[in-house]
Amino acid sequence: DGGITQSPKYLFRKEGQNVTLSCEQNLNHDAMYWYRQDPGQGLRLIYYSQIVNDFQKGDIAEGYSVSREKKESFPLTVTSAQKNPTAFYLCASSMPGRNIQYFGAGTRLSVL
Amino acid sequence: RKEVEQDPGPFNVPEGATVAFNCTYSNSASQSFFWYRQDCRKEPKLLMSVYSSGNEDGRFTAQLNRASQYISLLIRDSKLSDSATYLCVVNSNTGNQFYFGTGTSLTVIP
Repeated sequence: DGGITQSPKYLFRKEGQNVTLSCEQNLNHDAMYWYRQDPGQGLRLIYYSQIVNDFQKGDIAEGYSVSREKKESFPLTVTSAQKNPTAFYLCASSMPGRNIQYFGAGTRLSVL
Repeated sequence: RKEVEQDPGPFNVPEGATVAFNCTYSNSASQSFFWYRQDCRKEPKLLMSVYSSGNEDGRFTAQLNRASQYISLLIRDSKLSDSATYLCVVNSNTGNQFYFGTGTSLTVIP
């Protein structure tokens, strides 16, 4: 089935540790996005990528890093510099021209 | 000012009721508009796109008012399964970014 796969579903981070969230899509979409959602808040954009080997910072990029080496993959690293990482992380993709986003099932990150 | 603003609710309505949500956006050059549905602890899923002429999908009707910069969602004959958070989403004028409202919570009561 075509779709967006995020893993793991749940992740725990120790203080000072970097963790990486995986996002893979087989929809052949060019654009991919990472959002963070906190309780009672809307989605906030962390990073997005329109094409391979290119990405742009969103509104809350500090403490995060990404790479886009393949069209299908857009991993997000939550670094130790992100002091409040507990949140629901959502990956999305879209096809240019259609302007519709499709989401993965999300990763819940908590701090130990 | 936020790009997209929604009344967070909650809206608690009886089964069979009609309920309407509004959403305002700040960028008059915005290109595309959507309503997404998000169930508790799940990812958002596209409910419907919103077209300038208005569009309907079963019990759901979406309207866009570009002059006043707001979009609306009307749900007729509410079902228990409609209980969810409804997110208003606006695509930027460059097409690169999507802006999300904080969501409106709906609970349909038996």
